[in-house]
Amino acid sequence: AQKVTQAQTEISVVEKEDVTLDCVYETRDTTYYLFWYKQPPSGELVFLIRRNSFDEQNEISGRYSWNFQKSTSSFNFTITASQVVDSAVYFCALAFYGNKLVFGAGTILRVKS
Amino acid sequence: DADVTQTPRNRITKTGKRIMLECSQTKGHDRMYWYRQDPGLGLQLIYYSFDVKDINKGEISDGYSVSRQAQAKFSLSLESAIPNQTALYFCATSDSGTSGIGEQFFGPGTRLTVL
Repeated sequence: AQKVTQAQTEISVVEKEDVTLDCVYETRDTTYYLFWYKQPPSGELVFLIRRNSFDEQNEISGRYSWNFQKSTSSFNFTITASQVVDSAVYFCALAFYGNKLVFGAGTILRVKS
Repeated sequence: DADVTQTPRNRITKTGKRIMLECSQTKGHDRMYWYRQDPGLGLQLIYYSFDVKDINKGEISDGYSVSRQAQAKFSLSLESAIPNQTALYFCATSDSGTSGIGEQFFGPGTRLTVL
C-alpha cells in the first residue's frame, strides 16, 4: 500500500528561524515520484518540487531545500530564515505508476513576526 | 489565462440538491483527476480519467459521479448532496510522463458547502 505520513500537524516558528517539515512515505514500487506542495490561505495548491526515486541528490532553491533519503523513506523540506509569507499548509505527496497521487495530511506552518 | 479552470469557485447548496462541478484544461493533457480536501486529511482521490473513454474510481467515490465530455473537460456531480460532502474540491490534469508518472497540475479549487 502507498502511504505518506506527515507527523507534524502544526509548527509555529518566529521569523528568521529555520524549520524542517518531515515526510515519510511507504511504497513497494521502485519507480515513484515525491512532491511538495504549498497551500497558502487563499487555498490554491502551489507546486514546489518533484523528485524521482532514482535521484537522491538534495536540492536547494533559494531558502528552500529538500533532503531525500531512500534508506529511511523520507523526503524532508527545510525553509531557511523563515518569513511570514511562508505561513501555509505544506503537503508531501507520492505518485506511482498509474499516476495517482497519495497525499500526506499536511503540516500547518505558522511564522510569526 | 489559467491552464486548469474550475467553475464555480464557491457554492453553497442544500441537502438533497444535485450539484455539478466543472473542470476545463488547456494543457492538452489526457489525464484528469478530481480530489477532495478535508481539514487534517490532505487530498483524497475521488475519480480519475486517463482518456475520454476511461473512467476510474478513486479512494472515496461513493456519492459522486463523473463525466468526461471531451479531452479538455471533466465534470464531478453530487447526485444528492449531503453535509459531509462540504469540502474543497480540486481538479488536476497530467500527461503520462516518464514511467507512466506525469506531474499533476491543479486548478484553483471549488469550495462547496452543503447545508
